Amino acid sequence: EDKVVQSPLSLVVHEGDTVTLNCSYEVTNFRSLLWYKQEKKAPTFLFMLTSSGIEKKSGRLSSILDKKELFSILNITATQTGDSAVYLCAGVSQGAQKLVFGQGTRLTINP
Amino acid sequence: EPEVTQTPSHQVTQMGQEVILRCVPISNHLYFYWYRQILGQKVEFLVSFYNNEISEKSEIFDDQFSVERPDGSNFTLKIRSTKLEDSAMYFCASVRTSVPGGGELFFGEGSRLTVL
Repeated sequence: EDKVVQSPLSLVVHEGDTVTLNCSYEVTNFRSLLWYKQEKKAPTFLFMLTSSGIEKKSGRLSSILDKKELFSILNITATQTGDSAVYLCAGVSQGAQKLVFGQGTRLTINP
Repeated sequence: EPEVTQTPSHQVTQMGQEVILRCVPISNHLYFYWYRQILGQKVEFLVSFYNNEISEKSEIFDDQFSVERPDGSNFTLKIRSTKLEDSAMYFCASVRTSVPGGGELFFGEGSRLTVL
């Protein structure tokens, strides 16, 4: 059974800190890994990663995939209170129609 | 910006009652999904739908569940006889391309179902 595990489950930091969120996966015939941000309700898309070692970047957020070690990290630099959310990681198999989600990391940024 | 819309935002029902959750996916999207999230737990896949038929479903999606796209725009999830354990946030999602890994999945705001 496919599995995605995120760590830490919860993280509290001060505004301006840099954080690294981890995601490890066991996905049969892996195709891609996606990161989502869930603030109150709907998860919103951040990144999709399919190739190892290529960093994806969007402002203060960046992410990279390691297909050999089967993990991904999401980095957020110069954190702001608006970054407070649950960050979800999900794996996708080749030919499958579903995302397999991890349990999420709840990130709290204190002013 | 196009978005997936869901109604109702919150529904409270008695155990054993039928519930229909409605979704309007993004108009040029071809693949539609229902996921659910029990409070404090993971987001779980329920079912995917393409070309007017189910393309994949999870073990959760048993005979009590059904999906339909009755009029080319709405996408509905029906639970025939609700159980307490069906209480969850139900998310509809859609994507334009053939598999979610080929494009980002857009989620609706969710419908919170509370079964008493």
